[in-house]
Amino acid sequence: EDQVTQSPEALRLQEGESSSLNCSYTVSGLRGLFWYRQDPGKGPEFLFTLYSAGEEKEKERLKATLTKKESFLHITAPKPEDSATYLCAVLDNYGQNFVFGPGTRLSVLP
Amino acid sequence: DSGVTQTPKHLITATGQRVTLRCSPRSGDLSVYWYQQSLDQGLQFLIQYYNGEERAKGNILERFSAQQFPDLHSELNLSSLELGDSALYFCASSVALHQGDTEAFFGQGTRLTVV
Repeated sequence: EDQVTQSPEALRLQEGESSSLNCSYTVSGLRGLFWYRQDPGKGPEFLFTLYSAGEEKEKERLKATLTKKESFLHITAPKPEDSATYLCAVLDNYGQNFVFGPGTRLSVLP
Repeated sequence: DSGVTQTPKHLITATGQRVTLRCSPRSGDLSVYWYQQSLDQGLQFLIQYYNGEERAKGNILERFSAQQFPDLHSELNLSSLELGDSALYFCASSVALHQGDTEAFFGQGTRLTVV
């Protein structure tokens, strides 16, 4: 069964304090790994798709990396507006099973 | 604004009842996806329609059904409602046939409360 876990469950950072969020997955053939940002009461907002181990993608202060078993979302010099829940999800090779992790709730304090 | 419209925003209904949630995808998007988000289960994929046909099925209960109409809007029907069905229901749309091949845009969600 495809599974996704994320750690930590919650993270509090001071503004400017860089850190990483982890997404570990088990999937029967990975078609893609996805990162989303979700603000309270809103729908998830797409950030990145990673397809193969070694791939990296960047967007502003965020950088996502992928290995065969996990993905990291690195946040460099975060700002309070980066506060949100970050979700990762995996899609299996059949393109049928799209499984989300429980998310990491990030708070960036000014 | 993602361009995906969901109605209603909030819905309160009693156990045993049936409700219909509606989703209008972004212009040009052929795929519509439905998700359920609850506190204990997180975000779960329910079902995908592509150009009117069911394309992929996730953890959707038999009491739930969906369809996509010729104008590409979609409806999620929830019947014999139970307290545990209380959740946020999201719709997303994309141009792609396969989930994840292109970015999916999420609506604001419908908050369903079953009392």
